[in-house]
Amino acid sequence: GAGVSQSPSNKVTEKGKDVELRCDPISGHTALYWYRQSLGQGLEFLIYFQGNSAPDKSGLPSDRFSAERTGGSVSTLTIQRTQQEDSAVYLCASSFQGLANQETQYFGPGTRLLVL
Amino acid sequence: GENVEQHPSTLSVQEGDSAVIKCTYSDSASNYFPWYKQELGKGPQLIIDIRSNVGEKKDQRIAVTLNKTAKHFSLHITETQPEDSAVYFCAASSNTNAGKSTFGDGTTLTVKP
Repeated sequence: GAGVSQSPSNKVTEKGKDVELRCDPISGHTALYWYRQSLGQGLEFLIYFQGNSAPDKSGLPSDRFSAERTGGSVSTLTIQRTQQEDSAVYLCASSFQGLANQETQYFGPGTRLLVL
Repeated sequence: GENVEQHPSTLSVQEGDSAVIKCTYSDSASNYFPWYKQELGKGPQLIIDIRSNVGEKKDQRIAVTLNKTAKHFSLHITETQPEDSAVYFCAASSNTNAGKSTFGDGTTLTVKP
C-alpha cells in the first residue's frame, strides 16, 4: 500500500518568507510526528499528534513554527518568517498506536528546505 | 524524560566483517526498542525491533539484544555488505510517554568492499 508522502520534496525560499510543508500519513494511522534533521545530524523531534488528543508541541523550536492536522489525517507544518538556520530536512512519520502504544513509525522521504 | 545515547557515531568495517552499534537509555519504563536504517536522501526505515519481554531477536544477518537491567540494547550486523552502508538510529519508547520515541543521534556505518 501507499506509504507516507510529503510535499514538496524540495523547497527553496528567501529569508523572511513563510513556508508550508505537507504530510500525508498512511491511511488509518492514528499518530503523526514531525522531525527536523540538519545535515549529518540526528532526528530532532518537533511535534506529535495522536488521535483527538491535544498535540505534543514540546519540540517546536520557536513560535514561528506551528502545525495542524486536519480530520485526523493530513498534516501541515508551517514556518513563518523563515531564517537561514531553518534549513534542514523535515521528516514526517506516522504510526498506528495500538493498545501497547509501541508501534513502528513509518517515515516519509522528507522535504528539503533551503532558506537563502 | 527519556535520554538515549548511541555509540559509535561512525563505524567503518571491511566487507564480510561484523558491525555492532550500542545504545543506552535512561527511562526504566521504556519497553519498545526499534532500529531504523536511513539511506542517503531517504527517510529512516525500520529494520528490526525488540520489546522488553525478550532478550534477543534475529532476522537473517541482523540481530538485536536487550539488557533491561543495564538499560542497553545493541544492533549486530553479520557478514556486512556494501549496501549495509547507511545511518542507523536506535530509539526507545514507553507506554507512559504515549508511544513517543526518543532517538539516538545515529551511527554512520561504512562497509568497505
